[in-house]
Parts: sequence; structure tokens; C-alpha cells
Amino acid sequence: GQSLEQPSEVTAVEGAIVQINCTYQTSGFYGLSWYQQHDGGAPTFLSYNGLDGLEETGRFSSFLSRSDSYGYLLLQELQMKDSASYFCASPQGGKLIFGQGTELSVKP
Amino acid sequence: EAGVAQSPRYKIIEKRQSVAFWCNPISGHATLYWYQQILGQGPKLLIQFQNNGVVDDSQLPKDRFSAERLKGVDSTLKIQPAKLEDSAVYLCASSLVPTGDGNSPLHFGNGTRLTVT
Repeated sequence: GQSLEQPSEVTAVEGAIVQINCTYQTSGFYGLSWYQQHDGGAPTFLSYNGLDGLEETGRFSSFLSRSDSYGYLLLQELQMKDSASYFCASPQGGKLIFGQGTELSVKP
Repeated sequence: EAGVAQSPRYKIIEKRQSVAFWCNPISGHATLYWYQQILGQGPKLLIQFQNNGVVDDSQLPKDRFSAERLKGVDSTLKIQPAKLEDSAVYLCASSLVPTGDGNSPLHFGNGTRLTVT
């Protein structure tokens, strides 16, 4: 089986940088995805790491270390609109398994 | 491109009643998923279709839940009879292929928020 662990909530101020961690336990790991979900909205895809290292997409970056069974999502220049839940997810046997999510609150 | 369409947006029913949700995936997406998301938790996969065939329904409570994807396009998810613990958001998603990786991410609809009283 597979499990993904994330902090339940994180708070940061506008303009700051925040890191959301995800640790996983798995038999057969292929990669790590990140999704954003605003309150009442649909989860939307942010990024995917299939290999170790950093992937950058604008203000968002995602990192994976297979040796440490660990990844993170880095959000820079935080804006109020970044307040949302962030989920790490990993493919297992052709299906996507999600973590419990981290609720990010951005304060002015 | 048009996104994943779901209806209804909200539904309130009493326990032991039945309810059905409808999903229209993105055109051309062969893989369709139904997820259940309980408040404060991550989405949990209920069933996955590849075209009109079931790939995985290991987490679907088959004594009360059923789903179909006739003609490999639209899908319906039904609950009969509903229980209080079925209160959740039911999310439909689709992808080109069933890898879930960066080349074929999942595209979600806005979901149906079900309240069972």
C-alpha cells in the first residue's frame, strides 16, 4: 500500500515563502504530484516530480528526494489568493492516491 | 477546452433515500474517476473507468454504491440507500490516460456536495 503524510495546516504572511512537506511510504513509487483546492472548488494540478530534484513553475516549485521518501511544494511571493488546501498525490497501480491535505492560510 | 461538468452542485437527502450524480468528462479523456472527499480530508478514489470498463472499484461500497459509464463518455454514480456517513463532496475527474503523472494529470469537476440528514 501507500500513504502520504502532510502537515494539516500552515500559516504565512503575504509576500513570504512557505514550504509544504509530504513524506510517503510506498511499495512501488513512481512520482509525486501536487494539487491546489480552493474552498468549495475543484482540485487543480500544479506540478509533478517523476525524478529527484526541483521543478519550477512560476512562483511554485516542487522538490522530490526518493532516497528520503520526501517531497515538498514551495510557494514564493505569497499572495492572498494562495490561501487554499494543497494535496500531494502519487500514482499507485494506475490510480492516484492523495494525502490528507495542508490548509494554507495567507495573512496580510 | 471545456472542463469536467458535474451535476447537481448540491443535494440534500434523508438517510435511506437514493441519490444520483452525473459527470461529463473532458472530450477525448478515456479515463474517468469518482472520488469521495469528506470535509477536511483528501479525495478518496471510489471507482476508476477506462473507456466504459471498470479498472478499479476496490474502495466502492458495493452494497449501496453503483456507477456506470455507458458508451465510454458520461458517467453516473448512485447511492441507495444513503447513510449519514455518506455526507461528502463527490468529485468526478478525467485524464487522457490512467497514469496520473505530469503527462496526464487529473482534471476535476467542481463536485456535488451531498448532505444526508
